[in-house]
Amino acid sequence: EVQLVESGGGLVQPGGSLRLSCAASGFTFSDHYMDWVRQAPGKGLEWVGRSRNKARSYTTEYAASVKGRFTLSRDDSKNSLYLQMNSLEIEDTAVYYCARVSSNRNYALDYWGQGTLVTVSS
Amino acid sequence: AIQLTQSPSSLSASVGDRVTITCRASQGIRSALAWCQQKPGKAPKVLIYDASSLESGVPSRFSGSGSGTDFTLTISSLQPEDFATYYCQQSESYPVTFGQGTKVEIK
Repeated sequence: EVQLVESGGGLVQPGGSLRLSCAASGFTFSDHYMDWVRQAPGKGLEWVGRSRNKARSYTTEYAASVKGRFTLSRDDSKNSLYLQMNSLEIEDTAVYYCARVSSNRNYALDYWGQGTLVTVSS
Repeated sequence: AIQLTQSPSSLSASVGDRVTITCRASQGIRSALAWCQQKPGKAPKVLIYDASSLESGVPSRFSGSGSGTDFTLTISSLQPEDFATYYCQQSESYPVTFGQGTKVEIK
């Protein structure tokens, strides 16, 4: 059974940093691209970024709203995805989901974690 | 960035109704479109990928169609468990984008 479990959320002051983790199980993590998607309270889904797999040199893509502040990384030996968030702004307050990307489903996000809440407030 | 515009933003329907949600892309995305369903407090769940392919385990009352810029999600006979918010998502180019969502409520 595919499982994605996020952790690391919490309350942080504006300008602060936080590192989110996503522990994956039930599939060959190293084969897959992985995404972070966020959802501000009462709002829609916003894509944050993508980590490609080893075959694609672990390259990354970012949304313009987080580029230069957030960094995606992964550790295939630990089946884990990370999101380092620096210079946090109040607008970054959201539930953050990690999601598996399915290349044989035209890059749809086919499994999602339960999310972890990040609150940026003074 | 490719913008996805869903319509309507919300709708009220009764159990057994046929429901149609549309998603229009600001430029052509071939068939690189997925639909997902989200219930309150839960993670999204994919229903349709590649514009018209039904995800394994998803009831056959859900169907998707379209290509290029215009896409449709249809629920042939709305069930109580289908009351939720639906999003389209494109994966044709970066950044990946979502529609603003369509909330399906009980009439």
